[in-house]
Parts: sequence; C-alpha cells; structure tokens
Amino acid sequence: EVQMVESGGGLVRPGGSLRLSCAASGFTVRSDHMNWVRQAPGKGLHWVALIHSGGNTYYANSVRGRFTISRDSSKNTVSLQMNSLVPDDTGIYYCARDSSGFGIDSWGQGTLVTVSS
Amino acid sequence: DIQMTQSPPSLSASVGDSVTIACRASQTINTYLNWYQQRPGRAPKLLIYAASTLPSGVPSRFSGSRSGTHFTLTINGLQPEDFATYYCLQSYDPPYTFGLGTKVEIK
Repeated sequence: EVQMVESGGGLVRPGGSLRLSCAASGFTVRSDHMNWVRQAPGKGLHWVALIHSGGNTYYANSVRGRFTISRDSSKNTVSLQMNSLVPDDTGIYYCARDSSGFGIDSWGQGTLVTVSS
Repeated sequence: DIQMTQSPPSLSASVGDSVTIACRASQTINTYLNWYQQRPGRAPKLLIYAASTLPSGVPSRFSGSRSGTHFTLTINGLQPEDFATYYCLQSYDPPYTFGLGTKVEIK
C-alpha cells in the first residue's frame, strides 16, 4: 500500500527555519516525482515544490531561494528545508506523489506549520 | 507562469442534480490537467487525471473533458458524499498551479 507520512511541522518565529520530512512506503521516492503542496487555513491548495525522478527541482515563485526540496533514497524520504519563513508560509504541508507524469495522484495527511511571533 | 481560472467559486445543488465545474488555462497545457476532491479536514483525493481518465475506484458519475485550454468536471447525480471542494491542477509546466477551488454545497 502506498503511504506517505509527513513530520517536522510546528510553530516557528518569522525569519526562522524548519525542515519537513516525508516518509514513503509502498514505493520508492527516486522512481517517482515528489511534490510539496501547502494549504493556508481556510484557503485553497498552493503548489510549493517538485523533485523530478531525474533529480531536477522546481519551486513556486513565492518560495524560490528560501525552500529546498531533496530526497534520501537510502531512507526513502523526501524533505523540504524552509528558511527565512514568513507568516504567509503558514499552513498544512502535504507530501504528494506523481507516479505517472500526469500530476499528483496520491497525498499524505499533512503536517501543520505555523509562522508567528 | 500558467494561470488556472476556475469557476464558479461555489455552487448550491441538491442530491441527484448534475453539476459542472470549469477550469481554463492561460496557455496550452495539452491534457496535463487533474481534478481533486477535498472534504473538510481531509487530504485531497484524485478524481480525474489526464483531463478525462478516471482512476480505479472513482465512481463513474464523475467525468472530465477538454476543449483546447478549457476543461470541465461534471458530476452526474450528486450524492451526499460529493458535497466538498474541488480543485483543478495543471502539471504541464512547473511551477504547477491549482485553480482557486469550487465549493459544492447542499441546497
């Protein structure tokens, strides 16, 4: 069974850093394209970052230069390093898999990040 | 960046009704368009991929279509569990972009 479990969320002050992790099971992260998607409280879905199976990385304009997506094939995990956090980065962060090349097909349950002083 | 314009933002309907939600892309995205359903407090769920393909397990009352850069999601015969928020996502070219969502409410 395909499963993704996110961890690492919490409360952080503006300007701080946080590292999210996504532990995958039932598939290998290096074989698929892995995404992070954010949802601010009461708002819609916002795509954040992608690491392609080939290793290329892509980012939303709002996070480029501050966030870094990476993967660890030995642990079968995907991470999101978030630096210089601002209140608009607050929300639930979902780890999401694209196994077909036709976009996201499965999601984790999310981890909550709150950026506040 | 590719913009996705989703409409309407919300709609009210009754059980058994048919409803249609639309997304228009600002440029060509071929068929790289997915639809998702999200119930309150839950992660999104894939309903349609590649514009018109149903994943296994999704009821056949859901359908998707494409005409150029205009995409639609149709639900034929709304069921109580279909009252939720629906999003489109283009994955043609990063940065990927979601529509703003359509909340389907009970009339």
